[in-house]
Order: sequence, then structure tokens, then C-alpha cells
Amino acid sequence: NAGVTQTPKFQVLKTGQSMTLQCAQDMNHEYMSWYRQDPGMGLRLIHYSVGAGITDQGEVPNGYNVSRSTTEDFPLRLLSAAPSQTSVYFCASRPGLAGTYNEQFFGPGTRLTVL
Amino acid sequence: AQSVTQLDSHVSVSEGTPVLLRCNYSSSYSPSLFWYVQHPNKGLQLLLKYTSAATLVKGINGFEAEFKKSETSFHLTKPSAHMSDAAEYFCVVSDPPRGNDYKLSFGAGTTVTVRA
Repeated sequence: NAGVTQTPKFQVLKTGQSMTLQCAQDMNHEYMSWYRQDPGMGLRLIHYSVGAGITDQGEVPNGYNVSRSTTEDFPLRLLSAAPSQTSVYFCASRPGLAGTYNEQFFGPGTRLTVL
Repeated sequence: AQSVTQLDSHVSVSEGTPVLLRCNYSSSYSPSLFWYVQHPNKGLQLLLKYTSAATLVKGINGFEAEFKKSETSFHLTKPSAHMSDAAEYFCVVSDPPRGNDYKLSFGAGTTVTVRA
């Protein structure tokens, strides 16, 4: 299994540009999520999905859209990039909501810079 | 609502000496607790997790953590630090899922440096 994969690894955007960060998992996990990591703030939840066709907002959803058309893929869209969105983005997956102690598996991250 | 506080933003130790990373949590339920490690420019790797089967939890690479409900703490320790332990460590708490609501709360992280 490849686990959780993310593309691209690095991206530089200009303010106002749009782009999609890709995330895929091959573990048949129902639950997927996107986090952003900023210095001194840990990871903060942007959006999450409990299954295909179901998404919901996390702690910091503004400026981001998601969709979940398949179990495997969970792309994150930046509609109009802003410098405040400069961050490292992590995608994660989990088998499902059942199983209180199940861990989340994280992708390698996408480092995004918005100029 | 759940939350977690890592009491030290940076810990510096000498190689071969013990490591202690402190974590306090807040939860209204019986939470799940995890420690993750992130090496420079890498993703997050699970070190260990608390599953309620035992209060002393052993993880990978010689790390262990003790769950203390009375102190709402989940401190991470290692008896002898190695150079490869230099990384950032995150304490994570999660309340049991309710309906479709399941979220992890991350601490701000503790950066560990190891001196030769």
C-alpha cells in the first residue's frame, strides 16, 4: 500500500491564483481530512469527510473548498490564494469513525507559498 | 470541547540523557491520546497511543508515555536520547466520535534538539 499520497510536494502561487492540492489513499478509509500546519500552532483542521459525497468544515475552512466523489480521493481547492494561506498542508485518513483509538495516517505534506 | 497544551515549546538534551516532553489535556469524555513525531521536512509518524488498556504506553524507538487521569496529563519520555530523536513532537487528543463529528486537537508542538 502507498498509504496517503499528496501532490505536489512544493508549490508557489501568486496572490489571486487558484489551485488544487491532491490527496489520495489506498487503504479504503472512510474518513479523510485536511490540516494546515503553521509555526507554533500545531495542525489545524480545514475540512473533513466521513465518506464519499459527505464533507464538513473544520476549524479554519475559509478560502478552501473540498469535494469527495470517491473513497480514495479528497482534493483541496484554493479559490483565490492569499499570503495568509502560506503553510504546509497535510492530508490524513482514518478507517472510519468507529474505533475510538484508531490512529490517523498522514500524507507527506505539501509546502505552499503564496507571494 | 477537547484541547491539549504542550508545556514546553523547545527541549534540549544531551545524547544519552533522558527526554521528557510534557502534555496536559482537557476533555469532557474518555479521550484518545496520541503522540506523533515529525522529522524535518517529513510527515507525521505515530509514536504511541493511549487505548485505555494500560496507563503506561510503550511506543516505537524506545518512547513511552503515562496516562494520568487525575493530573490530566500524558507525558512522553525516553530513558536515553539519540541524535535521531531530534524532531518536533505533537501531543494529540480526541474525544470519542459523536455522529459524524470526529476531530483531533493538536498541541503546538515541542521541538527537541539533541547535543552530541
